[in-house]
Amino acid sequence: GQNIDQPTEMTATEGAIVQINCTYQTSGFNGLFWYQQHAGEAPTFLSYNVLDGLEEKGRFSSFLSRSKGYSYLLLKELQMKDSASYLCAVKDSNYQLIWGAGTKLIIKP
Amino acid sequence: DGGITQSPKYLFRKEGQNVTLSCEQNLNHDAMYWYRQDPGQGLRLIYYSQIVNDFQKGDIAEGYSVSREKKESFPLTVTSAQKNPTAFYLCASSDNSGANVLTFGAGSRLTVL
Repeated sequence: GQNIDQPTEMTATEGAIVQINCTYQTSGFNGLFWYQQHAGEAPTFLSYNVLDGLEEKGRFSSFLSRSKGYSYLLLKELQMKDSASYLCAVKDSNYQLIWGAGTKLIIKP
Repeated sequence: DGGITQSPKYLFRKEGQNVTLSCEQNLNHDAMYWYRQDPGQGLRLIYYSQIVNDFQKGDIAEGYSVSREKKESFPLTVTSAQKNPTAFYLCASSDNSGANVLTFGAGSRLTVL
């Protein structure tokens, strides 16, 4: 079966750096997405990786290794507003999105 | 501003009743989707539509129905046949180009009493 694994919950300190990992086992690969979702709100797009390597976008960066079935989202200079759930999703060989359960990130002052 | 509007945000239903969740977009996107979100689980696809007057079942279509009569609108009906309808429902759209990034509505929370 197809599977996306992410840690359920992580805690970090304001101003610090946190890395949220995502491992996947899917039938084919056509891209990996990261979305941010504040409680009770809509998910919003953060990043998209289709080739190996690091994509940097301001305080957020996303890394992909297709051979390892692995990605991470790196958040720098954490702010209280970064407290949210972070969803990893992979597009499989049929171009269908497979979603992880999300990682709830708690930022402490 | 362009976006997706879902209504109502909160809905309570008695067992045995059908309810319809509205989803309207003004992004001129061709594709629209309905997802269900439950605690501790990834988003699960209920139905999707790539073009007007056409839609396909997702992974958990049983007990749900949709229509796509207009490009802007993709309403979801939760029927009495859905055995566990209490959930957070998310509508999304995409323009079917490039990465096919999804834009989501704010969601509708359905509670069955």
